[in-house]
Amino acid sequence: NAGVMQNPRHLVRRRGQEARLRCSPMKGHSHVYWYRQLPEEGLKFMVYLQKENIIDESGMPKERFSAEFPKEGPSILRIQQVVRGDSAAYFCASSATGQGSIGNEKLFFGSGTQLSVL
Amino acid sequence: RKEVEQDPGPFNVPEGATVAFNCTYSNSASQSFFWYRQDCRKEPKLLMSVYSSGNEDGRFTAQLNRASQYISLLIRDSKLSDSATYLCVVGSLDSNYQLIWGAGTKLIIKP
Repeated sequence: NAGVMQNPRHLVRRRGQEARLRCSPMKGHSHVYWYRQLPEEGLKFMVYLQKENIIDESGMPKERFSAEFPKEGPSILRIQQVVRGDSAAYFCASSATGQGSIGNEKLFFGSGTQLSVL
Repeated sequence: RKEVEQDPGPFNVPEGATVAFNCTYSNSASQSFFWYRQDCRKEPKLLMSVYSSGNEDGRFTAQLNRASQYISLLIRDSKLSDSATYLCVVGSLDSNYQLIWGAGTKLIIKP
């Protein structure tokens, strides 16, 4: 039973390029969360998605960032026109139940994508 | 004031010792609490949920103090493999139920 799969593990982009990060949740999980972690900081929530729906994107920057979780295929976090400040570890997590379930928000994380912007 | 605060450490502790650290949260409406462990920039892994009555899992004990708004993690008989960063996570119904993460406490167990 595969866990949460993220790819690529490492991604290097030059300023102005686009970055696409992919996340396949655990089998049977329909809730996906994206987090960003800067060095020496905690995880910062970005977006919460269910299949074909964005439930909460309050942590997403208004510009250049978008996320989707299509009916088929992995969830994608897309960063357009990357800047050096986008360099971070991006973690995806999935859960069987959503954030509305008290005490049942156990998250399973992927190994993350380390984005480096040159 | 941060919503979830942790002492960043590092806590340098000899193997076999007992170590404890706290995490304070600012939202009195917080409903759920967790400790996660993160090794060397790898993905966080759930260590344990924290219940109102406190809970224990082997060498690990978690406590919740609602009056003072903090949770604690106690590790007994520490092992070298316990070296990691411990992340405190708090969920509140009134924040659209987002989970708020502390920046973590770094623990180093020395032989």
